Amino acid sequence: NAGVTQTPKFRVLKTGQSMTLLCAQDMNHEYMYWYRQDPGMGLRLIHYSVGEGTTAKGEVPDGYNVSRLKKQNFLLGLESAAPSQTSVYFCASSYGESTEAFFGQGTRLTVV
Amino acid sequence: AQSVAQPEDQVNVAEGNPLTVKCTYSVSGNPYLFWYVQYPNRGLQFLLKYITGDNLVKGSYGFEAEFNKSQTSFHLKKPSALVSDSALYFCAVRDMRATDSWGKLQFGAGTQVVVTP
Repeated sequence: NAGVTQTPKFRVLKTGQSMTLLCAQDMNHEYMYWYRQDPGMGLRLIHYSVGEGTTAKGEVPDGYNVSRLKKQNFLLGLESAAPSQTSVYFCASSYGESTEAFFGQGTRLTVV
Repeated sequence: AQSVAQPEDQVNVAEGNPLTVKCTYSVSGNPYLFWYVQYPNRGLQFLLKYITGDNLVKGSYGFEAEFNKSQTSFHLKKPSALVSDSALYFCAVRDMRATDSWGKLQFGAGTQVVVTP
């Protein structure tokens, strides 16, 4: 049972490049989340999904897009990376409203 | 709109002393509340949650938290801290009655706990 798996674990991008972060969960969870973690800022919600085919904006959605075409996968896209998007990105999933979320190990992204 | 606040950036405590990490929340309905811990270069690990029922909930590694509806607080506690409890702690909330943000899980800024020998 792998839980929540994030790909890649590390990435360096040049300003203006695009990339997609993949989150996969094997627990049949309905809810999935993308967060970014920056020093002193805690975890800020980028986008989330409450089921296959649905997405919603979080606190800091600008510059990011997401898709949930399959229940087990939640993709986070950066169309034109900016240095301000340098961060550690975490994916999480949970079964429902009253259940805890399980986190991936994070993706460390640097935009130069 | 829901929100959660952790008023202390850092809490320092001597090993063996009680540990308290504060959390307050704001929701339109009733809250689901969670505590997580993060060790360096790791993802977050679940500690405990309040959904309904008894206001005192017990979780992993000897931690407990008390839900106080009148003060809208959910403070994390441990009677006797260990050096190994040194980590970053996050409080999180879901609003049970949120119609425009169903499922949204929002975290506080985190509190760094430092336990000295």
